[in-house]
Amino acid sequence: GENVEQHPSTLSVQEGDSAVIKCTYSDSASNYFPWYKQELGKRPQLIIDIRSNVGEKKDQRIAVTLNKTAKHFSLHITETQPEDSAVYFCAASNNDKLIFGTGTRLQVFP
Amino acid sequence: DSGVTQTPKHLITATGQRVTLRCSPRSGDLSVYWYQQSLDQGLQFLIQYYNGEERAKGNILERFSAQQFPDLHSELNLSSLELGDSALYFCASSPNTYTYEQYFGPGTRLTVT
Repeated sequence: GENVEQHPSTLSVQEGDSAVIKCTYSDSASNYFPWYKQELGKRPQLIIDIRSNVGEKKDQRIAVTLNKTAKHFSLHITETQPEDSAVYFCAASNNDKLIFGTGTRLQVFP
Repeated sequence: DSGVTQTPKHLITATGQRVTLRCSPRSGDLSVYWYQQSLDQGLQFLIQYYNGEERAKGNILERFSAQQFPDLHSELNLSSLELGDSALYFCASSPNTYTYEQYFGPGTRLTVT
């Protein structure tokens, strides 16, 4: 069935460093790949997304890259700040439901 | 604030009971999705409704059911509750089935004792 693998499960970085989270999807028909940030006890918040006809998208300190051939996509956060600390989820979609990865707990130490 | 509302915020109930969770989508959104988030399972898609009709089904148990009403709000009914049903239940909405962005509500935390 449809599956999204996400790595690493935890990531600790120093403030100002970069963080990279990687996801691999199984359904080749997937055409939409969002990233959500979830703080403890709160709702997932959409932070950036990419469609299958685009290879890279950037929004200030956040960028996402997509490799359709390899069926993987990545989230890059540059100049990390303590407020970036949260759980990040990738997801893949084929026009309807989102299939989520298992999440990455990012800790940014000042 | 995403514009999606969910009630109640917290629910504590006993095994074997039945509960109803409510979701109101963002104004103008026709599509509603339900997700379950438990500690060991991550975010799992349950079911999607579009303009009152069931559109897609995920790993939803037979004890669970949902519907979307003419005013587009949706309810998720959970019956014969078990301890393992304790989780955060989120709904999300999007304008239609072809607009991919989904915006999540604040969730309902269900605790089954």
